[in-house]
Amino acid sequence: GAVVSQHPSRVICKSGTSVKIECRSLDFQATTMFWYRQFPKQSLMLMATSNEGSKATYEQGVEKDKFLINHASLTLSTLTVTSAHPEDSSFYICSARDGGGHTEAFFGQGTRLTVV
Amino acid sequence: GQNIDQPTEMTATEGAIVQINCTYQTSGFNGLFWYQQHAGEAPTFLSYNVLDGLEEKGRFSSFLSRSKGYSYLLLKELQMKDSASYLCAAADSNYQLIWGAGTKLIIKP
Repeated sequence: GAVVSQHPSRVICKSGTSVKIECRSLDFQATTMFWYRQFPKQSLMLMATSNEGSKATYEQGVEKDKFLINHASLTLSTLTVTSAHPEDSSFYICSARDGGGHTEAFFGQGTRLTVV
Repeated sequence: GQNIDQPTEMTATEGAIVQINCTYQTSGFNGLFWYQQHAGEAPTFLSYNVLDGLEEKGRFSSFLSRSKGYSYLLLKELQMKDSASYLCAAADSNYQLIWGAGTKLIIKP
C-alpha cells in the first residue's frame, strides 16, 4: 500500500513553545490530508482537513490559530502546535488517501507530543 | 446525528474465533472500514466493505449489511499478536470517516 511518513515520532517541548509535525506521502500525491488527535483509550478525533494550496478546514472546537496547518505541496502537510500547553499533550496522527474518497486512508506513524 | 457503536472490550482465547460488531448511523454511506491499532501506534488498514456480504482476507473477514447499518470483523485462529484495538469507521456522503471508539481485544493463552 501507499506510504505516509510522519515526523517526529516523539517530541517533548516546554510549555509556551511551538512544535511542528510533518506528514509526507512518499509514493503518491495527496490533495487532501487529515490530522487527528487521540487521547489514551479514546477514538481518533478529526482536527482538520488539509487541502493542498488552500486553507485547512477545521472541525468545530479546534482552534485554528493554535493548530496551524499548511499543505504547501501535494506530498507535504505540516501541523504546528503553537504556544503549547500540557493539555496539548496527545498522540497526533496524519492520514492521506491515495485516490478518491472511497479508498482507504493510510496513516503516518503518529507523533507523541508531551508538553512539560 | 452520526454515530458508530462498537463494544469497548472483548476477551478471547488463542486459537479461537472472535467477532467484533459495529453499528453505524451516518448521513449517506460510502463504505465501512476496519483498522487495527496496537497501543502507541497508528492504525493500520484491515478491510473495506461497500457492498453487502462477506469479504474474506486470510484469517480476517469483514461483513456488511447496509440495510441494518451493521458490520462485523471476524478473526479466526487467534494469535497473541492480534491483541490490539479494532476501529470501525464509516464514510459518510462526503467521504468523511466517522470513527468508532474502538474495541480492545485481549487474547489469552
